[in-house]
Amino acid sequence: AQTVTQSQPEMSVQEAETVTLSCTYDTSENNYYLFWYKQPPSRQMILVIRQEAYKQQNATENRFSVNFQKAAKSFSLKISDSQLGDTAMYFCAFMKHGGATNKLIFGTGTLLAVQP
Amino acid sequence: DTGVSQNPRHKITKRGQNVTFRCDPISEHNRLYWYRQTLGQGPEFLTYFQNEAQLEKSRLLSDRFSAERPKGSFSTLEIQRTEQGDSAMYLCASSSWTQLTDTQYFGPGTRLTVL
Repeated sequence: AQTVTQSQPEMSVQEAETVTLSCTYDTSENNYYLFWYKQPPSRQMILVIRQEAYKQQNATENRFSVNFQKAAKSFSLKISDSQLGDTAMYFCAFMKHGGATNKLIFGTGTLLAVQP
Repeated sequence: DTGVSQNPRHKITKRGQNVTFRCDPISEHNRLYWYRQTLGQGPEFLTYFQNEAQLEKSRLLSDRFSAERPKGSFSTLEIQRTEQGDSAMYLCASSSWTQLTDTQYFGPGTRLTVL
């Protein structure tokens, strides 16, 4: 069975600074996807970034980028130029590729607070 | 594209009552998922539909829970004889299998409180 671990329950960063959120996972699969989702307070979960395991190049989306280390089973999220609107719970998630269902397996989340 | 919608947004009920939640996926998305999220935890998978067929149910989904997706459009999740342990946020997500990575888009959730 796959598991996702986020070891940082809470983090804080100053506005305009850079912060990195950690995620590790455990799987015996070779083909899978990894995601970071953001859940602002009292608002719905939205996709931040995704990474295909077969791609060596790290995914980037504007101020968000990942450091994907397949051998180490590590998938960290870097947020550059942090903004107040980045304050949210961030979830790392794993999806097996080619299974009967494409259910997501989530970590427990990291609560990020961006301070003015 | 109006996104995934869920109703009601909040539900307070007494233990032993039945409740039903509704999820309207993004139009043309043929895959629909239900997840449950308790305080301080990430969402946990409950069940999955491809069109109208329910293809997988988690062991978390006891026999008090039932989900349907008639005609492959909206979905309902019913909980019978609610228990305090059922208090949680129930999230619905949809996706399209035509997308290579099958990205799931989430609704705002229904927060259930069982007194």
